[in-house]
Amino acid sequence: KNQVEQSPQSLIILEGKNCTLQCNYTVSPFSNLRWYKQDTGRGPVSLTIMTFSENTKSNGRYTATLDADTKQSSLHITASQLSDSASYICVPTGTASKLTFGTGTRLQVTL
Amino acid sequence: GAGVSQSPSNKVTEKGKDVELRCDPISGHTALYWYRQSLGQGLEFLIYFQGNSAPDKSGLPSDRFSAERTGGSVSTLTIQRTQQEDSAVYLCASSLAWGTENEQYFGPGTRLTVT
Repeated sequence: KNQVEQSPQSLIILEGKNCTLQCNYTVSPFSNLRWYKQDTGRGPVSLTIMTFSENTKSNGRYTATLDADTKQSSLHITASQLSDSASYICVPTGTASKLTFGTGTRLQVTL
Repeated sequence: GAGVSQSPSNKVTEKGKDVELRCDPISGHTALYWYRQSLGQGLEFLIYFQGNSAPDKSGLPSDRFSAERTGGSVSTLTIQRTQQEDSAVYLCASSLAWGTENEQYFGPGTRLTVT
């Protein structure tokens, strides 16, 4: 069964600080991995997509890494802003039609 | 252009009643997906459409759940004889074509509360 584990479950950081969110998965075979940001009361929005051969991909202050051998990914947020407060969801994808969503990391950025 | 829209945004219903949730995908998107998100849980896949066909219905939790799509556009998710455990946010997404490499664009969801 495909599984996704994200850590930490929740995180509180001060504005301007950096943080790293982790994702371990067991999806096989592996096709790609997306990180989504979900604001409260909104649908998820894709931040990055990484394929098997990519190790790092950046989108502004968001940098995702992928180690397909160990089945681990991380999302690093630099110089956090209040607007970064949201849930961040890891979605590794195989060949099946269904996506397996992690439960997410709830990030709160405070003053 | 307009994104994915869903209606209603909130729905409170009594146990045993039927409910119908609507999704308007992005124009031109052939693939449409329904998910359910319970409090504190990850998104749970329910069903997807390629055009008007639903090749994979295995995610529907029970035979009380059904979905259809007409004209390759609007989709409705129907829950019959609602139960309290059906309370959740129901999210719809669409993508240009089916395939995990295609980004799914999500609607804001319908929050269903069964009392």
